Amino acid sequence: QLQLQESGPGLVKPSETLSLTCTVSGGSIINSRYYWGWIRQPPGKGLEWIGSISYSGTVYYNPSLSGRVTISVDTSKNQFSLKLNSVTASDTAVYYCASVFVITPGDYFDHWGQGALVAVSS
Amino acid sequence: QTVVTQEPTLSVSPGGTVTLTCGLISGSVSTTFYPSWYQQIPGQAPRPLIYNTNTRSSGVPTRFSGSILGKKAALIITGAQAEDESDYYCVLYLESGTWVFGGGTRLTVL
Repeated sequence: QLQLQESGPGLVKPSETLSLTCTVSGGSIINSRYYWGWIRQPPGKGLEWIGSISYSGTVYYNPSLSGRVTISVDTSKNQFSLKLNSVTASDTAVYYCASVFVITPGDYFDHWGQGALVAVSS
Repeated sequence: QTVVTQEPTLSVSPGGTVTLTCGLISGSVSTTFYPSWYQQIPGQAPRPLIYNTNTRSSGVPTRFSGSILGKKAALIITGAQAEDESDYYCVLYLESGTWVFGGGTRLTVL
């Protein structure tokens, strides 16, 4: 059973870079049956897909965030990471990491981390 | 930009049947969007219910089912229970590995 855990600062200043890491346990991140994603949820609002990455480094980003987002993978640590630069208060959200089970077609987010609240404030 | 629509709120009586839908501002939802559905109890992470339009995720009760109804994807709860009171999100798969979430439906069981 895969388990995912987000970690990183809970407070980021405006215009700075938000950085989060997701540690995968219960299985290897080097797995062609999975890729790895980030989703966020502003307080009281809905979910927004941020982007996804395969273990080999193929990335996909939400066009609305592309240009500010970088997702990377570190197979030696069984982790993948999110960086979001030039943050504003509207980037305040709970950030979830999730595994994407590849059954192409029909991939879906099958395991989720518990979420990490990141507030953007001076 | 693709915008996915869901009913903001719905209610159902215990034991009743309710249909949640997932549509597009412009266009129709078909199986080629591989719709999936997630349940989120406030304060918790989402959990998968349905994927690839109508396949139940592991451990999901059979009262949850998915389909395409007309131009929308649908999540049907047959015989709703009190513990089904939650937020529900659909997700559509777009081209080249990208997804878009709907705005969510808050379901009340009363």
